[in-house]
Amino acid sequence: NAGVTQTPKFQVLKTGQSMTLQCAQDMNHEYMSWYRQDPGMGLRLIHYSVGAGITDQGEVPNGYNVSRSTTEDFPLRLLSAAPSQTSVYFCASSLGGKGGEQYFGPGTRLTVT
Amino acid sequence: GNSVTQMEGPVTLSEEAFLTINCTYTATGYPSLFWYVQYPGEGLQLLLKATKADDKGSNKGFEATYRKETTSFHLEKGSVQVSDSAVYFCALRPRSGGYQKVTFGTGTKLQVIP
Repeated sequence: NAGVTQTPKFQVLKTGQSMTLQCAQDMNHEYMSWYRQDPGMGLRLIHYSVGAGITDQGEVPNGYNVSRSTTEDFPLRLLSAAPSQTSVYFCASSLGGKGGEQYFGPGTRLTVT
Repeated sequence: GNSVTQMEGPVTLSEEAFLTINCTYTATGYPSLFWYVQYPGEGLQLLLKATKADDKGSNKGFEATYRKETTSFHLEKGSVQVSDSAVYFCALRPRSGGYQKVTFGTGTKLQVIP
């Protein structure tokens, strides 16, 4: 049982490049989320999904796209990278219902130059 | 909207000292409350949780009690160890239907020195 996996662990992009951050979970969780973590700001929700084929925006969605074609996978796409997207990105999954805790991946550290 | 306020760090303690990290929240209804811990270079992992008023969550010697009257969920440990050095996040999750967006505090860094 691998839990939540993320690739790559580190990435450096030039401004304007695009890339996809991968996230997968093997716990059959219906909910998946992408967060970014910046110093002094805690975690901010980028996009989330409540099941295959269903996604919605969080509080900071601009510049990012998501899709969820399977229960297991929830990739995050950066369309045209900007230095403001330099951050650590975490994927999380959870069951629905009250009290459900989130399970986090190890994170991707992204630097945009 | 919902919000979580944590005491600012870093907090530096000597080994075996008593730890308190304050957390207060603003939310409608009765959210579930969580403490997550993040060790260097890793993702967050659940430390403990409480789902209703007066519940006490506990794990690995850490405790927190859901206080509805003071809207607080303070984290405590009686005797910290060097291995407890990490960043601690308080979080809440509403109970309304559908996807319940989790609100995180900004995190409190704890450093325990031998």
